[in-house]
Amino acid sequence: QKEVEQNSGPLSVPEGAIASLNCTYSDRGSQSFFWYRQYSGKSPELIMFIYSNGDKEDGRFTAQLNKASQYVSLLIRDSQPSDSATYLCAAPNTGNQFYFGTGTSLTVIP
Amino acid sequence: DAMVIQNPRYQVTQFGKPVTLSCSQTLNHNVMYWYQQKSSQAPKLLFHYYDKDFNNEADTPDNFQSRRPNTSFCFLDIRSPGLGDAAMYLCATSRDHGPEQFFGPGTRLTVL
Repeated sequence: QKEVEQNSGPLSVPEGAIASLNCTYSDRGSQSFFWYRQYSGKSPELIMFIYSNGDKEDGRFTAQLNKASQYVSLLIRDSQPSDSATYLCAAPNTGNQFYFGTGTSLTVIP
Repeated sequence: DAMVIQNPRYQVTQFGKPVTLSCSQTLNHNVMYWYQQKSSQAPKLLFHYYDKDFNNEADTPDNFQSRRPNTSFCFLDIRSPGLGDAAMYLCATSRDHGPEQFFGPGTRLTVL
């Protein structure tokens, strides 16, 4: 079982819609979760992190964490074409090894 | 601005010819990581340095080595690159094993 799993997509949404990206993790000891955005040919850049159950909002981005279900998601409201990228979910396990999911490819259609 | 720098951004080498990739950082972070990322795959941790302590992932091939001469610099040496080693190599840093990692722009390696 992979440490962090994501639906690879591709996910396509029209401009202005809400994009929903999902991630599950296997290590119940993981305490923090990160969403990175990676444009093609570029390195990952951190856009959100969450430690506590519930929602965390930052501008158009909302991260949601449910530790009981071992599930973390990222919502992007008012999606823009510039949001088109691969979104990587990441979590350190109890040994502080950092695991990335394979990423979900998002395309926002103008 | 504090940052993570990787050189070169693009590297072409021949099959079996040793190559070295470099990473430097001005964040003064004590942990530095090397990841390999192949197309449409997740970044895969190769190894990391916690201060001067080297930590190799169990499945990292012996062909990959690393050096960290000081806090700011870390090198990735590929002793005999194979075609399967063509990938993007990402350097990242963190403070202690703090969960947030900061990535450099990556070096794309091509093996001919």
